Amino acid sequence: DAGVTQSPTHLIKTRGQQVTLRCSPKSGHDTVSWYQQALGQGPQFIFQYYEEEERQRGNFPDRFSGHQFPNYSSELNVNALLLGDSALYLCASSLMGSNTEAFFGQGTRLTVV
Amino acid sequence: DAKTTQPPSMDCAEGRAANLPCNHSTISGNEYVYWYRQIHSQGPQYIIHGLKNNETNEMASLIITEDRKSSTLILPHATLRDTAVYYCIVSRQSVNRDDKIIFGKGTRLHILP
Repeated sequence: DAGVTQSPTHLIKTRGQQVTLRCSPKSGHDTVSWYQQALGQGPQFIFQYYEEEERQRGNFPDRFSGHQFPNYSSELNVNALLLGDSALYLCASSLMGSNTEAFFGQGTRLTVV
Repeated sequence: DAKTTQPPSMDCAEGRAANLPCNHSTISGNEYVYWYRQIHSQGPQYIIHGLKNNETNEMASLIITEDRKSSTLILPHATLRDTAVYYCIVSRQSVNRDDKIIFGKGTRLHILP
């Protein structure tokens, strides 16, 4: 059983460009959350998707958007990239309404130059 | 904002028990205490969680005080591979939507040979 898988593992983008990151949740999970982790900091909550809708959102600008597909996989899109968007982007999957643990992927390391 | 307070760093000798404290004085009755750890540049890894009773699994033990305002994660025989940042999190896993994980700054645990 594959856990949470994220792609790509690394990428480099130029300021002003757009990027799409992908996440496949653990089998049996229906909820995907995205986090941004800057170097030396704890992960910061971006938003959460359940039933193909954004259910909760952290303090991130509208440049950050997402989508969840019927198979529960998810995408994170960031427009008009800034140097400060360079970070590790983490995806976590969970089962809504359950007190079981969330599983995290290994992340996508985004570098904006 | 994170609802937990942890020491920024701790050292522990290899083979000894590592005891990581966490304060969560504003925890609500339906919130669980979760512990995750993050080894350098990897995704956070679930360790253990509990509501009010002490819990033990193959990785660790979780001791929650009777008033639930603090807890301690115990790694019984620390190894060098336990060097990581440990996050204590309170989260309400229920049928409503509010089950996002909010990370604090965590405790950086150094296991000394």
